[in-house]
Amino acid sequence: QQQVKQSPQSLIVQKGGISIINCAYENTAFDYFPWYQQFPGKGPALLIAIRPDVSEKKEGRFTISFNKSAKQFSLHIMDSQPGDSATYFCAASGRDTGRRALTFGSGTRLQVQP
Amino acid sequence: GAGVSQSPSNKVTEKGKDVELRCDPISGHTALYWYRQSLGQGLEFLIYFQGNSAPDKSGLPSDRFSAERTGGSVSTLTIQRTQQEDSAVYLCASSFRETLGGIYGYTFGSGTRLTVV
Repeated sequence: QQQVKQSPQSLIVQKGGISIINCAYENTAFDYFPWYQQFPGKGPALLIAIRPDVSEKKEGRFTISFNKSAKQFSLHIMDSQPGDSATYFCAASGRDTGRRALTFGSGTRLQVQP
Repeated sequence: GAGVSQSPSNKVTEKGKDVELRCDPISGHTALYWYRQSLGQGLEFLIYFQGNSAPDKSGLPSDRFSAERTGGSVSTLTIQRTQQEDSAVYLCASSFRETLGGIYGYTFGSGTRLTVV
């Protein structure tokens, strides 16, 4: 119930291309879905987040698409750049967890080739 | 401080020794979390502190792990009798308290890389 499944495990994209990372969840009580970006040797940093009352949120080159009925959400990185090369984690939390801790996906290692 | 500070950044210890990892959250953040990140893996929840409430210890993997938070600020994660499987990066995060709309994004520290030899 608490699991968040993320795919793919790794992704190679050419500069200027679109990177797409997908996540699926089971717990219908989840109501907050953030994406985190992590560079080597650093902690994850919040990139963008969405709540289930909207189907899409865009911030610059980063877009979250959310499908409530399918219990899936995805991160799209437009015009991918070498500087976007990092590990990306999706996450989710909900009121029923009590502690409001985030449940993280297993991560996607993105490599953008110049 | 401006961010979440963790110390030490790296720790090498011998199997069986005890270690203490420290987290200094962002001033004013009442929620504090510890996560563990094993090599190439996702983040595993360990423990959660919220204000003066009893901590949620449901993620601690064994009774060798404990944590405390003094004065609602600095937190220490202690691992007793360390084992090789404890080798990982231990991440601390803090956040504003939960609102009606739900908790907002964490701010993570850079972590402590623990190696048990």
